[in-house]
Amino acid sequence: AQSVTQPDIHITVSEGASLELRCNYSYGATPYLFWYVQSPGQGLQLLLKYFSGDTLVQGIKGFEAEFKRSQSSFNLRKPSVHWSDAAEYFCAGGAGNNRKLIWGLGTSLAVNP
Amino acid sequence: DSGVTQTPKHLITATGQRVTLRCSPRSGDLSVYWYQQSLDQGLQFLIQYYNGEERAKGNILERFSAQQFPDLHSELNLSSLELGDSALYFCASSVASGYSSYNEQFFGPGTRLTVL
Repeated sequence: AQSVTQPDIHITVSEGASLELRCNYSYGATPYLFWYVQSPGQGLQLLLKYFSGDTLVQGIKGFEAEFKRSQSSFNLRKPSVHWSDAAEYFCAGGAGNNRKLIWGLGTSLAVNP
Repeated sequence: DSGVTQTPKHLITATGQRVTLRCSPRSGDLSVYWYQQSLDQGLQFLIQYYNGEERAKGNILERFSAQQFPDLHSELNLSSLELGDSALYFCASSVASGYSSYNEQFFGPGTRLTVL
């Protein structure tokens, strides 16, 4: 079955440290993948998306993600985290003729000063 | 501000009751999506409308229904409410015609429903 998994429910990092949030997918075809961020009390906002081509995708707010087919992963990275990055991060994906986007359960990011 | 508006922000009601959530999409967007977000089930896609027609259906209960009006605003109707329906309900809009995630979805701030 098609699925999107975010293995980490909660992550805490120090401000200025690097960040990597994991996302694994299970699709037969090449998936299209997204990362969204949800700040407290807000709706979700698209950070970046991958459809095809270059496997390293640049997004807003200094985030990037790398599509690795061999590992079925689409991990989100940021070299230096800011306190304002504290939020809930969602990975989502779809593929082929399955038009329903599947969402991960989210990873909650806390940033220590 | 995404440009998507949702009303009300908060709603408290009792079991067995019926409520209506309202969503106005971004100017120019023809597609509206409804999602339910709860702690135990995460973000669940409920239903999508495009230019007044139902386009895709997700995990929407039979007690729930939605529609999109000629002015493109949408309403999600929840009836015979149960305690487990307590959740955050999001509306999103996009320019897409199908449930094509090639197009970015813009999310509203959500309506928090509490069923007592």
